[in-house]
Amino acid sequence: EVQLVESGGGLEQPGGSMRLSCEAFGFSFSSSVMSWARQAPGKGLEWVSAISDSGGSTYYGDSVKGRFTISRDNSKNTLYLQMNSLRAEDTAVYYCAKTRYNYGPFDYWGQGTLVTVSS
Amino acid sequence: EIVLTQSPATLSLSPGERATLSCRASQSVLSYLAWYQQKPGQAPRLLIYDASNRATGIPARFSGSGSGTDFTLTISSLEPEDFAVYYCQQRSNWPPTFGQGTRLEIK
Repeated sequence: EVQLVESGGGLEQPGGSMRLSCEAFGFSFSSSVMSWARQAPGKGLEWVSAISDSGGSTYYGDSVKGRFTISRDNSKNTLYLQMNSLRAEDTAVYYCAKTRYNYGPFDYWGQGTLVTVSS
Repeated sequence: EIVLTQSPATLSLSPGERATLSCRASQSVLSYLAWYQQKPGQAPRLLIYDASNRATGIPARFSGSGSGTDFTLTISSLEPEDFAVYYCQQRSNWPPTFGQGTRLEIK
């Protein structure tokens, strides 16, 4: 059974940093494109970032480019999202997702982790 | 970026009825469109990918159609567990984008 378990969310002040993790189970992680998406409270879905199976290619949305870094450790079946220079508008539930191709579809999702940016 | 516009914003129907949800793209996305279902407090779930292919474990009452700029998700006979928010998503062009969602509520 495919399972994705996110961790690392919480409360951070504007300008701060946070690292999210997503541990994968039940599929060949090292052969899979992986993504992060987010959902602000009461709002719709927004794609954030994606990474190729090897980690050699990364992709970012304009709203996070230059501030967020996606990475992976295939030996640990774990995906990461390093978030720097956090803003109030980054407040959201962050989901990791197994991705069929570079930009979707997102065929399995984690349960999400809430990131709140507030002073 | 490609804008996806979903309609209606809210659809009120009764169990057993047929639901038709629409997603229109601001430019052609070929057949690279997916549909997701999201229930309150849960992660989205993939229903349909590449316009008409059901994802693993998705019941046959869910079907997708369309190509280019106009797409439809049809639920042939609504079950109580189908009342949720539905999103479309394109992977044709960077960045991947989602529609704003259609809320399917019980009438």
